[in-house]
Amino acid sequence: GAVVSQHPSWVICKSGTSVKIECRSLDFQATTMFWYRQFPKQSLMLMATSNEGSKATYEQGVEKDKFLINHASLTLSTLTVTSAHPEDSSFYICSAGRQSNQPQHFGDGTRLSIL
Amino acid sequence: KQEVTQIPAALSVPEGENLVLNCSFTDSAIYNLQWFRQDPGKGLTSLLLIQSSQREQTSGRLNASLDKSSGRSTLYIAASQPGDSATYLCAVTYSGGGADGLTFGKGTHLIIQP
Repeated sequence: GAVVSQHPSWVICKSGTSVKIECRSLDFQATTMFWYRQFPKQSLMLMATSNEGSKATYEQGVEKDKFLINHASLTLSTLTVTSAHPEDSSFYICSAGRQSNQPQHFGDGTRLSIL
Repeated sequence: KQEVTQIPAALSVPEGENLVLNCSFTDSAIYNLQWFRQDPGKGLTSLLLIQSSQREQTSGRLNASLDKSSGRSTLYIAASQPGDSATYLCAVTYSGGGADGLTFGKGTHLIIQP
């Protein structure tokens, strides 16, 4: 069964809306979770590393004020897309791993469509 | 900047054939390499993970090999089935502490014809 749960699966909303996406590790504690974005026909690109109890680490070119990450507990990380615009429409997906030498487990992703 | 390249980008074969998907990475100092399967509009399913010290991993009809020095990995699928149709992604990580995310290739879109 799923070990990482991501919610919601789909979001369609108007431009200017802020959208929150949740990522939960179901049966293990994750001090680190990762957020990725995938545009059509492109590879998954790492956006940021979510660290429990501290600030997230963002990849170059990702606006930290645009994509707010909160990792307040060992089982939950949230990504908030603030004031979303059509160019933010994409597939967002999170991952977490039990240990460094174990596979990363991915959520089912969130398809975000901004009108 | 690390780059992961997957060849071919798309592949369509009749059911029952054996096939090989290729992955190459520019920086050979990887910690591990993973192969994933992604179904349309869905998340990722981990298929195989190969540590940098290993040469291959097997799971059922899948076999993944790793040649770290040359920066290459292959995913071998035996006796392909229509249910194998999906996009296959190769990804590497360069940190053993779990502190780094994965660098992905663009994937190989595989269609198995019934």
